[in-house]
Amino acid sequence: GAGVSQSPRYKVAKRGQDVALRCDPISGHVSLFWYQQALGQGPEFLTYFQNEAQLDKSGLPSDRFFAERPEGSVSTLKIQRTQQEDSAVYLCASSLSHFYEQYFGPGTRLTVT
Amino acid sequence: KQEVTQIPAALSVPEGENLVLNCSFTDSAIYNLQWFRQDPGKGLTSLLLIQSSQREQTSGRLNASLDKSSGRSTLYIAASQPGDSATYLCAVRSQGGSEKLVFGKGTKLTVNP
Repeated sequence: GAGVSQSPRYKVAKRGQDVALRCDPISGHVSLFWYQQALGQGPEFLTYFQNEAQLDKSGLPSDRFFAERPEGSVSTLKIQRTQQEDSAVYLCASSLSHFYEQYFGPGTRLTVT
Repeated sequence: KQEVTQIPAALSVPEGENLVLNCSFTDSAIYNLQWFRQDPGKGLTSLLLIQSSQREQTSGRLNASLDKSSGRSTLYIAASQPGDSATYLCAVRSQGGSEKLVFGKGTKLTVNP
């Protein structure tokens, strides 16, 4: 079946612009996660949803970062007034529930110039 | 706070060699541990998931072990092939609260033909 998909795959933004990154999880997966991966580092947790409820947003680095999953399926990660330090790969993952594997999408590479 | 360390950071071996990648974590109260592979510019591919009650999991030439009490896991790759070249990431899900994964920085493996 189809895996986790993310769009766009690449995004270049000028400093100060707003961006929106989309994640389509595997159909039927209850849990959805966003991670940020800097070059040469492991992914770091940003936020997580169970259905439409955002249960943990402790990893969001600032109030410029906002995530939503209004119908419990597709999720959008929005970054307002982008800064150079926001340049990274943003990974989305989904799982059936907490005891199951997390499956990752290909990521969106964001470059802020 | 859970911290995950992977040693070595990089490893280069000749084709056919058996090898071991190491992962350690500071808090032994985990639900599960997951090993991933990441190819350059790509997302994460799940290799093995070990629940906290399990000691090991096997998939093909891969075998992962878990010693929860000592905070260690190893990924054993038998008869390595050039196609195994990638970065291998270890991630743990801690007990209590969020379903987030905490990642190590990875081990970059190069298998030389």
